[in-house]
Amino acid sequence: GIQVEQSPPDLILQEGANSTLRCNFSDSVNNLQWFHQNPWGQLINLFYIPSGTKQNGRLSATTVATERYSLLYISSSQTTDSGVYFCAVERVGGNTDKLIFGTGTRLQVFP
Amino acid sequence: NAGVTQTPKFRILKIGQSMTLQCAQDMNHNYMYWYRQDPGMGLKLIYYSVGAGITDKGEVPNGYNVSRSTTEDFPLRLELAAPSQTSVYFCASNRGQGAEQYFGPGTRLTVT
Repeated sequence: GIQVEQSPPDLILQEGANSTLRCNFSDSVNNLQWFHQNPWGQLINLFYIPSGTKQNGRLSATTVATERYSLLYISSSQTTDSGVYFCAVERVGGNTDKLIFGTGTRLQVFP
Repeated sequence: NAGVTQTPKFRILKIGQSMTLQCAQDMNHNYMYWYRQDPGMGLKLIYYSVGAGITDKGEVPNGYNVSRSTTEDFPLRLELAAPSQTSVYFCASNRGQGAEQYFGPGTRLTVT
């Protein structure tokens, strides 16, 4: 099956710093989503981005489908950005949104 | 809208017991999913449904069963609970292919 690798596994930042999270996948995809799991366990959808670039406030994401990777950018980080960021994909040919999750990047932002 | 709701929030089971985890959504979404998340790991798909009366297996279906009699509800049944089923269970839904998935708050299950 498709493999999803995220890096770095852990990231520690001071408030105000910028960061880039990476997601590599081993096969062509027609669905890629980024999620944030907050320290209380709630999962929030950040982006649906199988290709191209999107921005939402301080967060933006870029997926280069031909090279099989996606990047999540967090600018001017805040303590509320802490948590785990997951990338999830469905490979081309799938039509039921069965997402395969990476193991996540754990982000800690300190004041 | 309440979104995706799950009950119970926490449960402790003894080995061999059975239980049903409830999931409901009020967004009229056709697609619904059950995932489990083990400590420090990503989510793994257990079962999914693309509409009432239609269910199919995900990556890790053994030890679980589902049903989908209505669009709103998608219960997950654990038969003969085992310690390996200790995990956090998340239900999710979306309106169709390529749409954003929305997650419930999760159920933390411990089997001892």
